Amino acid sequence: DAGITQSPRYKITETGRQVTLMCHQTWSHSYMFWYRQDLGHGLRLIYYSAAADITDKGEVSDGYVVSRSKTENFPLTLESATRSQTSVYFCASGDNDNQPQHFGDGTRLSIL
Amino acid sequence: QKEVEQDPGPLSVPEGAIVSLNCTYSNSAFQYFMWYRQYSRKGPELLMYTYSSGNKEDGRFTAQVDKSSKYISLFIRDSQPSDSATYLCSLGGGGGATNKLIFGTGTLLAVQP
Repeated sequence: DAGITQSPRYKITETGRQVTLMCHQTWSHSYMFWYRQDLGHGLRLIYYSAAADITDKGEVSDGYVVSRSKTENFPLTLESATRSQTSVYFCASGDNDNQPQHFGDGTRLSIL
Repeated sequence: QKEVEQDPGPLSVPEGAIVSLNCTYSNSAFQYFMWYRQYSRKGPELLMYTYSSGNKEDGRFTAQVDKSSKYISLFIRDSQPSDSATYLCSLGGGGGATNKLIFGTGTLLAVQP
């Protein structure tokens, strides 16, 4: 079955550390997205990618870096984690950027 | 003004009730309207998708879009305990900087057996 796999599912780290969240999709979708979900804010777009080697910033991109060397993978890196980046992170994929997307089950990230 | 407003709930109903979930939005350019269901500690899953005003039905679920009022609704008939989840509305195709999907903050629904 096609789907999206995120890893790790849970992560605890300390401020200042670098953290990478992984996302792998088997849908063969060209677009991939990273969101964070926080109480009272809903889902907010961090970064998205239209194709391999094409990425662009979303609404809340400061402090995050992405890459997309292969169509199926879209890792998200927090270069120097801060407590404000404690959140649940979701990866999604879709055929374009403004119609239905398929989501992974998220990574719960706590930064102490 | 937020682009999309959604009542956060929580909403608690008895099994068998009809549930109405709603979102209002400010940008009349939005063309695509979705409802996602999110169970606890899981990712959102697409429940309903429509791109025109009017009603779309799928089993016990009906999505309603009123573009003139900038209002979308999701109705659940004969609600079941398994419908207990957070429901997110989502809009797309607003054009320009807002061409990406935007999401409501979600309504938490509990269906009591």
